[in-house]
Amino acid sequence: DAGITQSPRHKVTETGTPVTLRCHQTENHRYMYWYRQDPGHGLRLIHYSYGVKDTDKGEVSDGYSVSRSKTEDFLLTLESATSSQTSVYFCAISESGRLGTEAFFGQGTRLTVV
Amino acid sequence: AQRVTQPEKLLSVFKGAPVELKCNYSYSGSPELFWYVQYSRQRLQLLLRHISRESIKGFTADLNKGETSFHLKKPFAQEEDSAMYYCALSGSGNEKLTFGTGTRLTIIP
Repeated sequence: DAGITQSPRHKVTETGTPVTLRCHQTENHRYMYWYRQDPGHGLRLIHYSYGVKDTDKGEVSDGYSVSRSKTEDFLLTLESATSSQTSVYFCAISESGRLGTEAFFGQGTRLTVV
Repeated sequence: AQRVTQPEKLLSVFKGAPVELKCNYSYSGSPELFWYVQYSRQRLQLLLRHISRESIKGFTADLNKGETSFHLKKPFAQEEDSAMYYCALSGSGNEKLTFGTGTRLTIIP
């Protein structure tokens, strides 16, 4: 498995509280992604990063922010958690934008907002 | 905009029967297509990519630009093929990797 870890693996939080999920990689890959996985919706891109301090929005970015201050860490923050953000969150990394580049995934974080 | 459609949420196939998981895409440029698989309690992982023209675990997929499709096929299903399968697309020069909604494949013994 590629060196990618997510923390925490499980979290229950209350509506309105801030939550930060961490993705850490040891592969020195340039690209990092945050997805959420929901039944009937598959994997949807929240935000991604193409370098330190370089980030961009995905298709479901509302309510989420990200930061990447160093190559190995990509943080996803829910400023004020809502029940609709209950989901499984996956981080992924890829080496470059070369054609056909494989993405490697973390084990996921199950977030429940009550 | 890039979009991936997997019309079947669930697919059940008997062991030994052929399998076909459908994937259609929408992208104005030259796409790169992938199939990812998620076995029970495992990470999502790459199964195959169209640029490699490879066969992995007996699965193949051909990119049909005329029909904008990238269907995944296997001639004889095995029980260990039961998993969640995602079709994915990235555009050339575009770092976004877009996934379909996934198809849960169940192989009936």
